Amino acid sequence: NAGVTQTPKFQVLKTGQSMTLQCAQDMNHEYMSWYRQDPGMGLRLIHYSVGAGITDQGEVPNGYNVSRSTTEDFPLRLLSAAPSQTSVYFCASSYWVSTGELFFGEGSRLTVL
Amino acid sequence: EDKVVQSPLSLVVHEGDTVTLNCSYEVTNFRSLLWYKQEKKAPTFLFMLTSSGIEKKSGRLSSILDKKELFSILNITATQTGDSAVYLCAVPTGNQFYFGTGTSLTVIP
Repeated sequence: NAGVTQTPKFQVLKTGQSMTLQCAQDMNHEYMSWYRQDPGMGLRLIHYSVGAGITDQGEVPNGYNVSRSTTEDFPLRLLSAAPSQTSVYFCASSYWVSTGELFFGEGSRLTVL
Repeated sequence: EDKVVQSPLSLVVHEGDTVTLNCSYEVTNFRSLLWYKQEKKAPTFLFMLTSSGIEKKSGRLSSILDKKELFSILNITATQTGDSAVYLCAVPTGNQFYFGTGTSLTVIP
């Protein structure tokens, strides 16, 4: 099993550019989510999905878009990158939120100049 | 508002010391609390606690939950340099996992 796979691992963007962070899981998990991690701020939830076709906002959704067309994939789109979106992004999945353990991807480090 | 608070924010100890990390929470419909270890990459799962007073152990690490007082502790005995990491606790509620800001542990040889 590959688990949770995120790409790319590193990306540098210019302000105003758009990009998509890809996330795929092969564990048949219903729940998928995106977090950003900034120094001193912990993990903050951007968007999450409880199943194909269902998405919802987390704590810091502005500037990001998601879709969930299949159980396996949950891409995160930056619509018009800003320096404030410089961060490390983690995709994570779980079978159900209520059964605990969240499995993380390796992370994507994004720098916006 | 649901929240998870960890203390201390950072800790520096010498190899062989014992450390205690704290996680307190205020969430609706509590079901479980999770501990993760994060080195340079993704958080890795350590424990999930659902029942009060039951200790979970894995080698030198152990954790216990107090559902009455709304906190959990993570103990690490005989610390090693490989224990240096950020330790995160998380509480799932509703459709979200709420994370604390983490405790940064540095173990000096």
